[in-house]
Formats: sequence, structure tokens, C-alpha cells
Amino acid sequence: DQQVKQNSPSLSVQEGRISILNCDYTNSMFDYFLWYKKYPAEGPTFLISISSIKDKNEDGRFTVFLNKSAKHLSLHIVPSQPGDSAVYFCAASLTGNQFYFGTGTSLTVIP
Amino acid sequence: EPEVTQTPSHQVTQMGQEVILRCVPISNHLYFYWYRQILGQKVEFLVSFYNNEISEKSEIFDDQFSVERPDGSNFTLKIRSTKLEDSAMYFCASRVDRGRDGYTFGSGTRLTVV
Repeated sequence: DQQVKQNSPSLSVQEGRISILNCDYTNSMFDYFLWYKKYPAEGPTFLISISSIKDKNEDGRFTVFLNKSAKHLSLHIVPSQPGDSAVYFCAASLTGNQFYFGTGTSLTVIP
Repeated sequence: EPEVTQTPSHQVTQMGQEVILRCVPISNHLYFYWYRQILGQKVEFLVSFYNNEISEKSEIFDDQFSVERPDGSNFTLKIRSTKLEDSAMYFCASRVDRGRDGYTFGSGTRLTVV
């Protein structure tokens, strides 16, 4: 069961431009969402989160948008930097304990 | 910066053998987790552990799996009789509380069952 979906397995963006990573979910009861970033041979690193009572959360170059009616969230990275090249996972939770992860989007930022 | 440490980084085992994957969570964290990622697939929840007991587990976490916090610092995942389909990257994670921060993940143990 794919409760959290990331339909784009990969994305390439020029340095300095905006990267937009998308995530869709099926369970309307999810109330908390996170984005993780993962480099090869490392564990996922927490990036940014958003609660279902908000529609936007910003942290520096990273902004997460939540559209509950569409069951869609997105991560914007502006401006994109080569060091942002990694796999990005979105994750959602009902209980704040167990998270359901998407399959990831591999972002490549081209210098 | 505090880290979650996992050992070994790579474990190869024969089908039917028992394996123990070890994790040292961050010292002031209270909630502990195991996730796994089969190659090319999504990261999947296995189990959460709080106050010396399992608080949630997934369908994957059947009788072949167990977790333990034997000495207040280590957090282990045991697979009693490994199957080929247990081959995956296993991630340990911990967090201070169930608030609004994400987990801190370890770098993972790659388990290969042959």
C-alpha cells in the first residue's frame, strides 16, 4: 500500500534556480509531514516539517507547502545549490510515532 | 553534533542464521525506532520502542524479529532466522520525544542474506 507517493524518481535543476519536489498522500488522517534528505552511504537527515494545521513552513532556503484538500505537499529549495544534490524523502504520520515514507526523489543540482 | 551509531555497516549472513544489528542512540533520546529499506524501494517502518517496551510495530515485524535495549545505551534488532527477503538497509533512529522534530537516523546497516 502506497500511502505516500513521490511520482518523480529524479529531478535536475540548474544551480541558483528553484527546485520543487512533490509528494502526494492518500490518508486524509495524516497530521504531520516531514522531508528528509539522504546522501549515499548515510542515513536520512531531517530537513523540515509541517503540521496539518498549517499550509506553509519556511526554514532558510527550504519551504514546505501543504495542500490538504489535494493531499499534496511540496518542498521548494531556493536557490538550489550543488550541495543540495541528494535523495529527498517525504514522510507522513498519523500518530507522530510511525512515519510512512515515499520512495524518494533524486535531486541533481547542476553547477 | 550527536549521532546515532550503527554497527556493523555491512553484514553478510547465510539464510536461516540469526543476526543482531546494533545501534547506539543519542544519549538523551527516549524513543527508538528501526526502519528498513529494500534496495530501490521505500523506507519502511518496523518498530518503535519507548520505556523499555514496543510501542508500535508494523506487519513486517513478525515473530522472527525482536528488539532489546539491554544496557541503557545499546538498542538491538535481532532477526532469528534470516530469509533472502530480509536483505535490506536497516536504519536505527531516535528522538527526544514525540514532538514536532524528526528522528535522527543512523547511517544504516546493509544486511545481505545469501
